[in-house]
Amino acid sequence: GNSVTQMEGPVTLSEEAFLTINCTYTATGYPSLFWYVQYPGEGLQLLLKATKADDKGSNKGFEATYRKETTSFHLEKGSVQVSDSAVYFCALSARGNNNDMRFGAGTRLTVKP
Amino acid sequence: DGGITQSPKYLFRKEGQNVTLSCEQNLNHDAMYWYRQDPGQGLRLIYYSQIVNDFQKGDIAEGYSVSREKKESFPLTVTSAQKNPTAFYLCASSPLARQETQYFGPGTRLLVL
Repeated sequence: GNSVTQMEGPVTLSEEAFLTINCTYTATGYPSLFWYVQYPGEGLQLLLKATKADDKGSNKGFEATYRKETTSFHLEKGSVQVSDSAVYFCALSARGNNNDMRFGAGTRLTVKP
Repeated sequence: DGGITQSPKYLFRKEGQNVTLSCEQNLNHDAMYWYRQDPGQGLRLIYYSQIVNDFQKGDIAEGYSVSREKKESFPLTVTSAQKNPTAFYLCASSPLARQETQYFGPGTRLLVL
């Protein structure tokens, strides 16, 4: 079945450090890929998405590129801020099956001043 | 403002009691979903509905029930058969189209007394 694996946390960085959170997936066909962010006590917010190979999703300084050859969708940001502290979820949605969205376990990021 | 609302924010259940979590959306989305989130884990699908008066079981439907009498509402009942109900419950909705993004509510935290 379809699945997502993302790097375990927690991740602790200093402000202005470079961030990478790894995400790999297993899926049949050509899924869409997503990164969601969850702030404490809140629901998930869409951060970015990509719907086909080589697409780059970007938002608020975060980027991720859909790499079909390595089945990866790693999240990056060049300079993190304290306000980026949250839990980040990688997810995939299988083509033609909107109800089959699979989430990774989440990676907790803490950014220290 | 369009969005998804969930109530209450916190809910306490006594042993043997059924409780109902509310989810309402005014995004005119056809599909709605319920997920369960446990600490340090990703989201697991409980139930989903793509049209009014129809819904399907997800991966962990046992001990839960839903209804979809109106397009904008998708309440979840946690029954006494659910022996480990303590979790964070998230409702989501999406347009009924392939690979469309799911939009999440703020969540309800259910605790057992």
